[in-house]
Amino acid sequence: SQQGEEDPQALSIQEGENATMNCSYKTSINNLQWYRQNSGRGLVHLILIRSNEREKHSGRLRVTLDTSKKSSSLLITASRAADTASYFCATGGLAGGTSYGKLTFGQGTILTVHP
Amino acid sequence: DAGITQSPRHKVTETGTPVTLRCHQTENHRYMYWYRQDPGHGLRLIHYSYGVKDTDKGEVSDGYSVSRSKTEDFLLTLESATSSQTSVYFCAIRRTGTEAFFGQGTRLTVV
Repeated sequence: SQQGEEDPQALSIQEGENATMNCSYKTSINNLQWYRQNSGRGLVHLILIRSNEREKHSGRLRVTLDTSKKSSSLLITASRAADTASYFCATGGLAGGTSYGKLTFGQGTILTVHP
Repeated sequence: DAGITQSPRHKVTETGTPVTLRCHQTENHRYMYWYRQDPGHGLRLIHYSYGVKDTDKGEVSDGYSVSRSKTEDFLLTLESATSSQTSVYFCAIRRTGTEAFFGQGTRLTVV
């Protein structure tokens, strides 16, 4: 079963608008990560937030984490057509720990940004 | 790009035949993983490795085996391919304490 559930499954917006994707998970986590996948390509890491952090920023990305609700959100501000991709949240321990760095992925949100 | 190469990139095979997918890394990372990606399921972990000859099962390991005889290569074998194993397979590596880096994927079709 999937640890992470993402919402919405698909999101369609215009360039310049903000895009918000949500992820919920079931068990306690060490960290939560967000990945991006362009069509036909591998996943690319975007940002990692640790369980003791509540918010993190990276360029146009803002991630929040609410461990009491077991949820996270990814906000992409001022979206561009090039942001069109699938976005996945992933939970798991860090490599080097007892979980061997295994990640459990959500089903993903397909984001389409129209020019 | 973390130096991960998957081969082949595309393969069509017949039901019942053995298939081996290869993941090669150039950066000497200890941790390597095989995932499969299917519509509606995201990525699911098949097997992983935490060192040479150290491997273990993931969430969907039935019908798959792996081997890691040297640090740079992690092989995934489908002993007898079935149509349910038609999927896109991704290899990933991780450095200690950091994010995962993914290969470009292998699209496998079992007919």
